[in-house]
Amino acid sequence: AQSVAQPEDQVNVAEGNPLTVKCTYSVSGNPYLFWYVQYPNRGLQFLLKYITGDNLVKGSYGFEAEFNKSQTSFHLKKPSALVSDSALYFCAVRDTTHGYAGNMLTFGGGTRLMVKP
Amino acid sequence: GAGVSQTPSNKVTEKGKYVELRCDPISGHTALYWYRQSLGQGPEFLIYFQGTGAADDSGLPNDRFFAVRPEGSVSTLKIQRTERGDSAVYLCASSLNSGSSYNEQFFGPGTRLTVL
Repeated sequence: AQSVAQPEDQVNVAEGNPLTVKCTYSVSGNPYLFWYVQYPNRGLQFLLKYITGDNLVKGSYGFEAEFNKSQTSFHLKKPSALVSDSALYFCAVRDTTHGYAGNMLTFGGGTRLMVKP
Repeated sequence: GAGVSQTPSNKVTEKGKYVELRCDPISGHTALYWYRQSLGQGPEFLIYFQGTGAADDSGLPNDRFFAVRPEGSVSTLKIQRTERGDSAVYLCASSLNSGSSYNEQFFGPGTRLTVL
């Protein structure tokens, strides 16, 4: 079975500094990896995905993520954090245990990002 | 354009009661997913629809949970004999289609269910 781990419950960073939110995964086969962001009382918003191709994926709001197959990681990064980036971030992997009949996602437990002025 | 909508946004019920949660997907999206998010956790898959049929309901925790999508658009998640452990945010997502190519899922704001 696949799984996703987000080892940090919370990440604190000062505005203007680079940020990294960590994610590691375990899947059989080729991974499809995603990052979503959740603001209070709002639904999950898609940030970016890795399906194939370049290991560095660029997404919305200046975020990017680096796929590292040897380390089974997909860390989310941003060169310069904004206070408005403060939210809950979820890493997810496509569920392949049911074959390709669906695109259900398995999510990590989430990491709260706090950006301080 | 309009995103995924879910009603009600909040639902408070008593243990043992029946509840229905509604999801309106993005127009034209044939794939629809229900997830449940407990406090402090990531969403967990419940059921997936492709069109009108439930293609995979392996995530439903027990037979008190059921979902329908009779016309291939709106979906209703139904919970019978609710228990306090059912309290969570229920999320709905839709995507263009499924199969071998991936289309990202768009999530609704969720319904917060509280069972007293």
